[in-house]
Amino acid sequence: GAVVSQHPSWVICKSGTSVKIECRSLDFQATTMFWYRQFPKQSLMLMATSNEGSKATYEQGVEKDKFLINHASLTLSTLTVTSAHPEDSSFYICSVREAWGEQFFGPGTRLTVL
Amino acid sequence: DAKTTQPPSMDCAEGRAANLPCNHSTISGNEYVYWYRQIHSQGPQYIIHGLKNNETNEMASLIITEDRKSSTLILPHATLRDTAVYYCIVSYNTGFQKLVFGTGTRLLVSP
Repeated sequence: GAVVSQHPSWVICKSGTSVKIECRSLDFQATTMFWYRQFPKQSLMLMATSNEGSKATYEQGVEKDKFLINHASLTLSTLTVTSAHPEDSSFYICSVREAWGEQFFGPGTRLTVL
Repeated sequence: DAKTTQPPSMDCAEGRAANLPCNHSTISGNEYVYWYRQIHSQGPQYIIHGLKNNETNEMASLIITEDRKSSTLILPHATLRDTAVYYCIVSYNTGFQKLVFGTGTRLLVSP
């Protein structure tokens, strides 16, 4: 299956700063990538669908101006958390889905906002 | 919204079979049943998926009822490393279709 990497694996930042998280599909050209967020002891919540060469599709309740997604190539999508606040502290996970339906996830990025 | 119902937790003895049930009574004819698991602080791992026939791979077996309203994931010989949260998801089998996670089943495998 597809191999997905994320960078960084963890990040600590001060409140008000912006943080960029990269998601790379190492062996699969992904026209579509997905971004999830997971709070402690909760399930994964889909934030947005990232489409190569076009705007991302955000789920209801997710602020598109706060969570900027750029899918610049078939192997790279980035999520930028702008003006991060402590409530944005979470585990962010990206995924790619192959044409036949199997979805493969990155290892996740743990964001802590102080 | 998730379209599946799973028990919140299950226990299993090491070496025994773990049978994880999932109800998906509103599944449509073209939707597949997918199973993923998530070990603490890691990204979810794909296990298996199927449409209506039973499926088996090196990790697990998937048994889908004839009416497709429920399924069971079977880990034939559970090990301590199988302790994880297991998610049952129904979805169309296309590359752009999003997966919506429910609350899953927390499986604890004990010695």
